Amino acid sequence: QVQLVQSGAEVKRPGASVKVSCKASGYTFTTYYIHWMRQAPGQGLEWMGIINPSTGTTSYSQKLQGRVTMTRDTSTTTVYMELSSLTSDDTAVYYCARDIVRGDLTWFDPWGQGTLVTVSS
Amino acid sequence: DIHMTQSPSSLSASVGDRVSITCRASHPISRYLNWYQQKPGKAPDLLIFAAAGLQTGVPSRFSGSGSGTDFTLTITSLQPEDFATYFCQQSYNTPHTFGQGTKLEI
Repeated sequence: QVQLVQSGAEVKRPGASVKVSCKASGYTFTTYYIHWMRQAPGQGLEWMGIINPSTGTTSYSQKLQGRVTMTRDTSTTTVYMELSSLTSDDTAVYYCARDIVRGDLTWFDPWGQGTLVTVSS
Repeated sequence: DIHMTQSPSSLSASVGDRVSITCRASHPISRYLNWYQQKPGKAPDLLIFAAAGLQTGVPSRFSGSGSGTDFTLTITSLQPEDFATYFCQQSYNTPHTFGQGTKLEI
């Protein structure tokens, strides 16, 4: 079945970087874009950006531009999200999700299980 | 950015009740509106796509409606497993923004 499996929880110091992976299986990796979202404790969801696994082309939220980098490895069907210059405001659960497109309509399905990133000194 | 406003932010209901959650977009978004269910400690699951499309495997007691700026998620005959948090999300443009969530409680 279609599945996105993310890497485990991370604890980072302020100023450090974190790299979260999202391994795709059960479908043709290069056919579907992947989005990244995050959810701070007790908060709503924030869209971070999107990557085209076929070409590696990315688009990031303006808020995170310059700090976020999304990459992919087609040989392992894995996408990565790296966030730099971490602060306590970056403490959140990070999710990847597959982009489903029908005509010009789009939605996210499925989602990865989430990766908790804690930024603390 | 398109701002999504959900109401109510929390809702108390009982098994068997019918409930509705609304989502309003700050800019017309046609049918570019999706609904997700999230249970504690879990990732969101897609319920409704394109405002009214029922995701495969989702019970028919869930339905979505609306177009433009105003949308509604309706759950008829609440079941115990429906108590969760619900989010709307617009896919009209990027950044894809989400509502703040509606927590459905017993």
